[in-house]
Amino acid sequence: DGGITQSPKYLFRKEGQNVTLSCEQNLNHDAMYWYRQDPGQGLRLIYYSQIVNDFQKGDIAEGYSVSREKKESFPLTVTSAQKNPTAFYLCASSIGTGTPETQYFGPGTRLLVL
Amino acid sequence: QQQVKQSPQSLIVQKGGISIINCAYENTAFDYFPWYQQFPGKGPALLIAIRPDVSEKKEGRFTISFNKSAKQFSLHIMDSQPGDSATYFCAASRGSNYKLTFGKGTLLTVNP
Repeated sequence: DGGITQSPKYLFRKEGQNVTLSCEQNLNHDAMYWYRQDPGQGLRLIYYSQIVNDFQKGDIAEGYSVSREKKESFPLTVTSAQKNPTAFYLCASSIGTGTPETQYFGPGTRLLVL
Repeated sequence: QQQVKQSPQSLIVQKGGISIINCAYENTAFDYFPWYQQFPGKGPALLIAIRPDVSEKKEGRFTISFNKSAKQFSLHIMDSQPGDSATYFCAASRGSNYKLTFGKGTLLTVNP
């Protein structure tokens, strides 16, 4: 059963703590993305990766970091520098042909600050 | 700078009615315009998409109308059903750029 999995579903962060959100895909897609969703704000791009070992900042990268060591995995770390991390985080992937194409989304992780 | 403006923020429609959501864009280089549907607590899923070489695309009860000169596109949901109640996002991207720019979303409620 192909798709994108995100874990955990809910994550709690303490002040000054870094937390890592997992994203795995078995669609054999080259491109992967991380979005942040806040109520009434739509989806805003944090980071994206077009190929393994390469990634680019999106519109709101400050306070976040990513890695892309494997094609199927694109973890997102929310660092302590991100002062307002409470949001719904969505991972997505696409084939990565370089032309406009469908992005497939995972079920999301909701991050809450204790 | 909001490159894709979506309206209305929320919409209430009676069962069987037509739901219309509008989007306007600023960047004339955009050449791919998808609509995504999102149910509460879930990730968005592609509903329908259009490229500017056509003015309309229909898939079942869902239709995208595209007006290139006005830089506007809209989603029409015919015979709206309670199961269509969700948040709808328009988006746009250009050429080989992987980035999608999303509108802020429309919460659609279809009353039985």
